[in-house]
Amino acid sequence: DSGVTQTPKHLITATGQRVTLRCSPRSGDLSVYWYQQSLDQGLQFLIQYYNGEERAKGNILERFSAQQFPDLHSELNLSSLELGDSALYFCASSISGEFGRELFFGSGTQLSVL
Amino acid sequence: AQSVTQLDSQVPVFEEAPVELRCNYSSSVSVYLFWYVQYPNQGLQLLLKYLSGSTLVKGINGFEAEFNKSQTSFHLRKPSVHISDTAEYFCAVEGYSTLTFGKGTMLLVSP
Repeated sequence: DSGVTQTPKHLITATGQRVTLRCSPRSGDLSVYWYQQSLDQGLQFLIQYYNGEERAKGNILERFSAQQFPDLHSELNLSSLELGDSALYFCASSISGEFGRELFFGSGTQLSVL
Repeated sequence: AQSVTQLDSQVPVFEEAPVELRCNYSSSVSVYLFWYVQYPNQGLQLLLKYLSGSTLVKGINGFEAEFNKSQTSFHLRKPSVHISDTAEYFCAVEGYSTLTFGKGTMLLVSP
């Protein structure tokens, strides 16, 4: 158990809908990362937050947004969903935003868009 | 920009045989290198990392990797694999502010 909690584990929804994925980082970790894993693209970095502030942005679509709350949990919002958004979404946390740190991953949320 | 190439998508091997999973990277800055493992239905967990110093890095579960700057490689090795090593292995590079992963290599260990 990594100590990172993601909910829900599975999510099935329809095209055009909006969903929210939730992540609770390990106790004491200030940095949260979101990754998307699909068969064709592999693991793609979406966005990173550090202590409530956006730190880095990757291949995140404009239809997607995220935030980190004062209690350090994070939410990833996906809207106007398309079939191609079906993927496994991982949250990871680390104690700081510094280089070389270990990331601790949650078990992921499997999103299926029908 | 930085990128990672894992040359094999799948590596089948028999139990107790040695294995090498290959990883090449590109980056225009100094890098930190990582290997993560993903067991079925789980998130990724760190096997080992190279930040600086000795180019031979030892990790958990008997794995080790060697950083070769001239060949821009960071291959993962284990002298004798177990059935329980069956998993997907990801090489990753950090050169700017983000961690970039390769597409993964599935290690399949059979009896």
